[in-house]
Amino acid sequence: QVHLVESGGNLVKPGGSLRLSCVASGFTFGDYYMTWIRQAPGKGLERISYISDTSGTIFYADSVKGRFTTSRDNAQNSLYLQMNSLGAEDTAVYYCARHSSTYNYFDYWGQGTLVTVSS
Amino acid sequence: QSALTQPASVSGSPGQSITISCNGTSSDVGTYNLVSWYQHHPDRAPKLIIYEVIKRPSGISSRFSGSKSGNTASLTISGLQAEDEGDYHCCSYAGNAVLLFGGGTKLTVL
Repeated sequence: QVHLVESGGNLVKPGGSLRLSCVASGFTFGDYYMTWIRQAPGKGLERISYISDTSGTIFYADSVKGRFTTSRDNAQNSLYLQMNSLGAEDTAVYYCARHSSTYNYFDYWGQGTLVTVSS
Repeated sequence: QSALTQPASVSGSPGQSITISCNGTSSDVGTYNLVSWYQHHPDRAPKLIIYEVIKRPSGISSRFSGSKSGNTASLTISGLQAEDEGDYHCCSYAGNAVLLFGGGTKLTVL
C-alpha cells in the first residue's frame, strides 16, 4: 500500500527558510518521479517542482525558481524541499505526490503539511 | 500558460447526477487526451479518480466518469452519495512537461 507522509511545515517569518520532507513507503521509491504541489488558501493546486527518479532532471515553477531546491534520497525513500527567502505568497499546504509512470498525472499523494509565512 | 477553469461550486441531492466542467484551451485540454481528476476531502490526501480523460484507477467507483469535448473536460458523478462531498480538481498536460490544474470545485451534497 502506497503511503506518502509530509512533515516540516511550520510558521515562519518573511525571508526565512524551511525544509519539508516526504517519506514514502509501499513502493520502490527510486523507480518514480516525485513532485511537490501546493495549494494556497482559496486557490487551486500548483505543481511547483518535480524530480526524476535519479535526480538527473529537476523542474521548478517560475514562482519558486531560485528560492526552492528539491532533492531526494532513494536509499532513505525520502523527498525534500528546501525553501528559502519565503514570502507571504508561499503560504500554502504543500503536498508530495508520485508521478505516474507516464508522467502525465499523479497517482498517489500525501495529506500535506502547512507552511505559514507571517510576521 | 493559464490555469484551467472550473466552477467554484456545484451541488446535488443524493441519488442525482452532477457534472463538473474543466475548461482549457487548444494548447492543453483540446490537444491532449491527458486530463486527470482528483477528489480531495479536507485534511486528507487528494485521490486520483480519473486519468487520461476516461480511465478509472483500480478501486474507484464506476459512479465516477470522465469525458472530453473540444477544449472542455468533464467529470460526472452519478448516484450522488454523501461521501462524495468535497473538492474536485482537474489537471491537463499542456506540452513540454507542463501540467496545469484548475481552480478546484467544491461539491456539496444537499
